[in-house]
Parts: sequence; C-alpha cells; structure tokens
Amino acid sequence: NAGVTQTPKFQVLKTGQSMTLQCAQDMNHEYMSWYRQDPGMGLRLIHYSVGAGITDQGEVPNGYNVSRSTTEDFPLRLLSAAPSQTSVYFCASKQSRSGNTIYFGEGSWLTVV
Amino acid sequence: GDSVTQMEGPVTLSEEAFLTINCTYTATGYPSLFWYVQYPGEGLQLLLKATKADDKGSNKGFEATYRKETTSFHLEKGSVQVSDSAVYFCALKTSYDKVIFGPGTSLSVIP
Repeated sequence: NAGVTQTPKFQVLKTGQSMTLQCAQDMNHEYMSWYRQDPGMGLRLIHYSVGAGITDQGEVPNGYNVSRSTTEDFPLRLLSAAPSQTSVYFCASKQSRSGNTIYFGEGSWLTVV
Repeated sequence: GDSVTQMEGPVTLSEEAFLTINCTYTATGYPSLFWYVQYPGEGLQLLLKATKADDKGSNKGFEATYRKETTSFHLEKGSVQVSDSAVYFCALKTSYDKVIFGPGTSLSVIP
C-alpha cells in the first residue's frame, strides 16, 4: 500500500546548495506533479508531467527542474537553493490529467538558511 | 481568473459541535469541486467531491453540496470529534483540468 512515496522528509540546505527531492508512485498513474505549501497560500503547482518523457511548468516553476524518465519516478531538483524556497513540498499523482482524485505523498519539509 | 476562497481560520470548536467551513469559487465553465483534508504531519487526502451542480458529496459524516447559483461548496458536519482536527482545503478542477486549491482552514476540536 505504498501509494506516493517521497524522500527526504526533512532537509536543511545552505543558500546556493542544490538537492533533489525524490518521488515515486506504484499506482501506474500517468499524471504526476509537485506542489509547494506555504502558510495562507494553499498549494501551488511547481511542475507536472502527463507521462514519461513529458513535463511542463506549473504556477511557480522558477528555481526548480524536473524530469520523468519512467512512469514511476518524478524527482524535483532545486538548482541553487534560496531562502524563498523554504517550504513544504508535496509530490502527487493521479490516474490521468483529467482524473479527479489526487494522491499525495507525506511531504518534505525543506529549510534553506 | 479561476480561484477558490475559503473562510479564514483557525476554527476552534468543542466536541459534538456543528461545523461549517465556507468555500466559494470563481471559474468559467463547469468545474468539479473537492474537499481535501490534511492531518498533522501528513499529505492531503480526498475527503469528498461533487462533479456537477446540485450534487452532494459525503464521507465520514462530512457533506458539501455543489451550489452553482451561489458558486459555493460549503463543508458541514453535524457533530465534530477530536479526531477531525486537521486543515481542510477546498479545491476545484476546471473544465481544462487545471486544479486550484484554496488557502486551507485549520480546525481544532477540543474535548
């Protein structure tokens, strides 16, 4: 019953460092996405993918890269961390772009100092 | 543009009290509407949904009715429990499959 698994759960970075948040799903979902959650702002879409080899930008893509080499995996890369990227990050998936139910990972708490 | 507005929190209720969390939306076409719940330290999970006007979504004692005339999807529960303490997010999916979340409403239920 793994669902959507993301790692690490907690991370502290120094400004300018890079890192990758890992995400994997075992439900054979076509659609995967990354959100960030900030107080009072709900969830904002960073990047999404409608299938292996296909990615696109969401609402707040700057400073982040993604790739989708397999159906299962959708890593999020922070290229040069900034304090403004301190946030909680959620990976999510659903059956297809038009699917109704989104399945979320448990979140990754990232602090940039 | 498309948007979701939720009542400001945090909301604090005593156990067995009646809960209403207001949600209104702005969207073109015919969106689908959702409530997601986030328990402490966890990701969001779908609580209920409604895909067309006048539909009522329900789950775990929670209900919400899709009101197109008032562009609303208010969440209600007749008798809350301590275990209902969480953050509740209203969301919509537009006719072109874009998902928009509201800012979330924190609920604390005290014994």
